[in-house]
Amino acid sequence: GEDVEQSLFLSVREGDSSVINCTYTDSSSTYLYWYKQEPGAGLQLLTYIFSNMDMKQDQRLTVLLNKKDKHLSLRIADTQTGDSAIYFCAEMNTGFQKLVFGTGTRLLVSP
Amino acid sequence: IAGITQAPTSQILAAGRRMTLRCTQDMRHNAMYWYRQDLGLGLRLIHYSNTAGTTGKGEVPDGYSVSRANTDDFPLTLASAVPSQTSVYFCASSDSGTSDTGELFFGEGSRLTVL
Repeated sequence: GEDVEQSLFLSVREGDSSVINCTYTDSSSTYLYWYKQEPGAGLQLLTYIFSNMDMKQDQRLTVLLNKKDKHLSLRIADTQTGDSAIYFCAEMNTGFQKLVFGTGTRLLVSP
Repeated sequence: IAGITQAPTSQILAAGRRMTLRCTQDMRHNAMYWYRQDLGLGLRLIHYSNTAGTTGKGEVPDGYSVSRANTDDFPLTLASAVPSQTSVYFCASSDSGTSDTGELFFGEGSRLTVL
């Protein structure tokens, strides 16, 4: 079955880069996603990457996909205190049209 | 713009009681989902519905039931609540037929405590 794994916690200083990593098992995933959850709120789509891409850049965000190793990463450049949140990696299960989420990584940005 | 509305926001419930969490969306999305969020376990899919009139089981369906009588509403019912169902519940929807990204839109969550 599908399994998506992430480290639970990451702490960085404001202005540094943050790298959040994710591994997944379903090699047939079509899309891979990063969702952001701010305190007391639901999840919001941050960015996504199609499975035939290696990299996607969107302002301060860079997504890298290594399909061979089934590894996805999210790099946040110039991390701000407002980036403090839980970040979820997710893969699209094309058979059931549903997302499988990772455990989430709590990012803490200190001044 | 409402998007997805969940109710109640928070509830404390005695074990054995019946409880229905409500979810309404105004985006006319065809697919809807219920997830539970637990520390260290991330989000786990409970039930889903690809279109009105159909439902399916997710990863952790036991103890929960859903119905999808129309496009907008997708209530989640706990027939007889147990303490292990203490969690934060998120309803989500997607326009899976026409969306080219499969993006899910989430409600704000319902925090349920079963004593």
